Amino acid sequence: EIVMTQSPATLSVSPGERATLSCRASQSVSSNLAWYQQKPGQAPRLLIYAASTRATGIPARFSGSGSGTEFTLTISSLQSEDFAVYYCQQYNNWPPWTFGQGTKVEVK
Amino acid sequence: QVQLVESGGGVVQPGGSLRLSCAASGFTFSTYAMHWVRQAPGKGLEWVAFIRSDGTNKYYGDSVKGRFTISRDNSKNTLYLQMNSLRTEDTAVFYCAKGDSGYGGRFDYWGQGTLVTVSS
Repeated sequence: EIVMTQSPATLSVSPGERATLSCRASQSVSSNLAWYQQKPGQAPRLLIYAASTRATGIPARFSGSGSGTEFTLTISSLQSEDFAVYYCQQYNNWPPWTFGQGTKVEVK
Repeated sequence: QVQLVESGGGVVQPGGSLRLSCAASGFTFSTYAMHWVRQAPGKGLEWVAFIRSDGTNKYYGDSVKGRFTISRDNSKNTLYLQMNSLRTEDTAVFYCAKGDSGYGGRFDYWGQGTLVTVSS
């Protein structure tokens, strides 16, 4: 099973600032890595797939990078609606499909 | 637009059973793999089960293997999760999620979830 590790657990950022979230895989997942956003009381939403491709309707301030075992999600200028929990997920070696434990982006 | 609507959640005693449903619309259901994912209160996401578009392949997470059964009815555009021998640690919101292809891949749409509470 591939273990996904996200850091930090919580990121405190001021609106308008840049946020950088990290995700590490226990072995290579190539570029088969997705990022999801989850707001309180809501279902997760796909943000990024194939490590760097934005999903339909996702604003350009969200970007993903990386391959192999190291990945990054960057939010260039945080808007109020971006404060949420973000999960990475690998879909390269399955089953199982595995998620990171999440990074909570909160208002500083 | 893609819609996934879960139902069937509720309160059940330990050892009991429950059947979840997920009604799909807005896409050709029979050509996409489907998943169940759960989230315990205050916790992260845990993949539970997968079914291929034609129902020929099914996979389960270790924590539910032998107790849960995933199935689908492509004529009714509906996904199911039969949950038996429920434990208190199965308490969670259960989401159905659409795969991006007929077999494997990422989860591109999610339902709103249905809460399952296992308690005596």
